Amino acid sequence: AQRVTQPEKLLSVFKGAPVELKCNYSYSGSPELFWYVQYSRQRLQLLLRHISRESIKGFTADLNKGETSFHLKKPFAQEEDSAMYYCALSGGSGGSNYKLTFGKGTLLTVNP
Amino acid sequence: NAGVMQNPRHLVRRRGQEARLRCSPMKGHSHVYWYRQLPEEGLKFMVYLQKENIIDESGMPKERFSAEFPKEGPSILRIQQVVRGDSAAYFCASSPRGTSGGAGNEQFFGPGTRLTVL
Repeated sequence: AQRVTQPEKLLSVFKGAPVELKCNYSYSGSPELFWYVQYSRQRLQLLLRHISRESIKGFTADLNKGETSFHLKKPFAQEEDSAMYYCALSGGSGGSNYKLTFGKGTLLTVNP
Repeated sequence: NAGVMQNPRHLVRRRGQEARLRCSPMKGHSHVYWYRQLPEEGLKFMVYLQKENIIDESGMPKERFSAEFPKEGPSILRIQQVVRGDSAAYFCASSPRGTSGGAGNEQFFGPGTRLTVL
């Protein structure tokens, strides 16, 4: 069974501080990992996916297969980063890659 | 492109009534997915549909829930004889492709329908 764990329900940092949102997963295969973000009063949107290896809005995430983690990081948080962040997993090219499994989410608050 | 549309945004039903949730995918998208988010939980996959076909309904409760995506019109998620435990946010997503994966197969989400069962 596939599972995504986000251990922090709430995370609060000050503007300019580094931020790391943790995500661990369980999947017997080669998953595809994603981070989705939901800003206040907006719909859920894709932030980044591990296969793209991109930096979006200053955020990066590295897939660590040994630790089964996909933590989201940003060196200097901004107030506009305040949002709910969801880590998600799909089955990759060999499985049901349309079926996203989400974590419970982490609410990030960046204080001025 | 207006994005994925869902209506209604809020729906209140009494126990035993029926709930119909509608989803119009983005223009050019023929793949639709429904997810449910219970309070304090992450989104959970319910069903994947293409036009006139249910591809995977492994996440749907066995009873009272059904989904369709007709040739014309929006996708419908139907919940018969609702119970309090059905209270949740229901999200629809669409993508231009289904199982091929890879970049460009992003699922675009609608704003959700919040169902409250009294």
